[in-house]
Amino acid sequence: RKEVEQDPGPFNVPEGATVAFNCTYSNSASQSFFWYRQDCRKEPKLLMSVYSSGNEDGRFTAQLNRASQYISLLIRDSKLSDSATYLCAVRSGGSYIPTFGRGTSLIVHP
Amino acid sequence: GAVVSQHPSWVICKSGTSVKIECRSLDFQATTMFWYRQFPKQSLMLMATSNEGSKATYEQGVEKDKFLINHASLTLSTLTVTSAHPEDSSFYICSAPGLAGAGDTQYFGPGTRLTVL
Repeated sequence: RKEVEQDPGPFNVPEGATVAFNCTYSNSASQSFFWYRQDCRKEPKLLMSVYSSGNEDGRFTAQLNRASQYISLLIRDSKLSDSATYLCAVRSGGSYIPTFGRGTSLIVHP
Repeated sequence: GAVVSQHPSWVICKSGTSVKIECRSLDFQATTMFWYRQFPKQSLMLMATSNEGSKATYEQGVEKDKFLINHASLTLSTLTVTSAHPEDSSFYICSAPGLAGAGDTQYFGPGTRLTVL
């Protein structure tokens, strides 16, 4: 089983839709969780960290489920500009380097 | 925020040649930098950790004699792909840990797309 797994998609949704991605991790000792956005042929950019209690930033909501070992990202009111690949990253307590998932592709169409 | 630059942004070379990629931290000092490789539709794979003033730490399966890393100063790390072959064609990205604490934030360079003919 891979350390960090994501459904590659693509998720194809209309503007205004709500879409959610999950990311599962195998290491129960994982301590830090992140969502990154990566545009085609560009570097990843940190979208948000994921806190134990869940957190929200505008249209984006991130949640952590330690019992089932996954994190989620919810995007409300999707915009065309949200089209990108969303990478999750997980860091365990024994390492200061996160492990990245392969990303989930989101396509928002008019 | 912190800025990391990479040069070149893209390079096309013939098989057998060596290619050097530079990673610079522009407004902060980075004693550690990370080098990643990303194949199309795949995840970022950590290749090595570059340490200023000491040898790089390579991940399992990464040939240290093929991917030479030099962390010459607190603001510059270089990755040299020696005797490049078509299978080395990939997107190479460097990053530096954020000032808030190693690992919790990473500042990525814009990446270098290498194509080996």
